Amino acid sequence: DAKTTQPTSMDCAEGRAANLPCNHSTISGNEYVYWYRQIHSQGPQYIIHGLKNNETNEMASLIITEDRKSSTLILPHATLRDTAVYYCIVRVARNNSNSGYALNFGKGTSLLVTP
Amino acid sequence: DVKVTQSSRYLVKRTGEKVFLECVQDMDHENMFWYRQDPGLGLRLIYFSYDVKMKEKGDIPEGYSVSREKKERFSLILESASTNQTSMYLCASSYRGGRTEAFFGQGTRLTVV
Repeated sequence: DAKTTQPTSMDCAEGRAANLPCNHSTISGNEYVYWYRQIHSQGPQYIIHGLKNNETNEMASLIITEDRKSSTLILPHATLRDTAVYYCIVRVARNNSNSGYALNFGKGTSLLVTP
Repeated sequence: DVKVTQSSRYLVKRTGEKVFLECVQDMDHENMFWYRQDPGLGLRLIYFSYDVKMKEKGDIPEGYSVSREKKERFSLILESASTNQTSMYLCASSYRGGRTEAFFGQGTRLTVV
């Protein structure tokens, strides 16, 4: 299973871009990179995922390096409500790809957005 | 909106009791999951199910069992609750296959006294 490495914590000023890095140097060719976040006392929330191309949605952008060994989640204009723990996850196949999979959550990055 | 609903937000049980945690999803998802979350340990997978009556052990299944009699409902059972099972329990669901996101419930904070 590909493992991920993230910084334990980061700070970001409100209104600035928050760039959250993730290393996944053992990722295999058919594994996706997922990002989730967990706001205090809530369940995790899906943000975005990608395979090798950069992705963007209404919440964030995901930049994956060409060798796929690392990625960066970008929150373009961070707000106080973006304060949360952010998890970078590589998909793990628990059974086979047609029947199911499970997400292995690590410790994540605790992002604090300050006024 | 996708909804994953856990039956209780907070629960207090006594040691040795049989405890049922219920989870219901309304999106016709094939996959359902139970995780527990503890400070410093992150989220750990207990069990997951990829179809009705199908289940697979996660990383920490000891002391737990699960039941999936209907597609929309996935139950976590603590046969004999112990204090080390005090934790936040999170249920999630997703479509079959590995390219779709999982949706989580709000969690059940279980305290075993």
